[in-house]
Amino acid sequence: NAGVTQTPKFQVLKTGQSMTLQCAQDMNHNSMYWYRQDPGMGLRLIYYSASEGTTDKGEVPNGYNVSRLNKREFSLRLESAAPSQTSVYFCASSDFGDTQYFGPGTRLTVL
Amino acid sequence: GNSVTQMEGPVTLSEEAFLTINCTYTATGYPSLFWYVQYPGEGLQLLLKATKADDKGSNKGFEATYRKETTSFHLEKGSVQVSDSAVYFCALSDRFPNTGNQFYFGTGTSLTVIP
Repeated sequence: NAGVTQTPKFQVLKTGQSMTLQCAQDMNHNSMYWYRQDPGMGLRLIYYSASEGTTDKGEVPNGYNVSRLNKREFSLRLESAAPSQTSVYFCASSDFGDTQYFGPGTRLTVL
Repeated sequence: GNSVTQMEGPVTLSEEAFLTINCTYTATGYPSLFWYVQYPGEGLQLLLKATKADDKGSNKGFEATYRKETTSFHLEKGSVQVSDSAVYFCALSDRFPNTGNQFYFGTGTSLTVIP
């Protein structure tokens, strides 16, 4: 039982490059989330998926897209990376009304 | 709307000192309240939670009581250890349908415990 896994753990991109962050959970949770964490800002919600087949924007969705591939997997795509997207990205999952469980994070630097 | 405000850090304490990290919230419904802990280089881990007013969450010597009258969920520990050094996040979760159980996090409080 691995919980929430994320790949890659570290990534360096050049401005304008694209990439996809992968997230998978093995807890059979319905809901999944993508956050970014920046110094002094706490966690900010980028996108979430309340259940398989649905996705919704969070607080800071601009520059990102998501795909809920199936119940286990929820990916985050940066189509054209910008230095402002340098951050630590966390994926999380939960069942309705209960605890969110977090992955270990992806540390992204955009040059 | 929903929001969480927690005390600014950083906080530095000596080992065995008493810890309080203040957290207050604003909510439109009947939220659950959480404290998460983040150790350096890791993701957030649940520390404790409370799901209704007057509930007390506790874990690893930490505790917090859900106070609806003061809209607070302050984190306390009677005697901190060096291993408690981490960043602590207060959070609330709303329960309304079709919102995907959205969480609202405070900005985090960094705690350093010195021997």
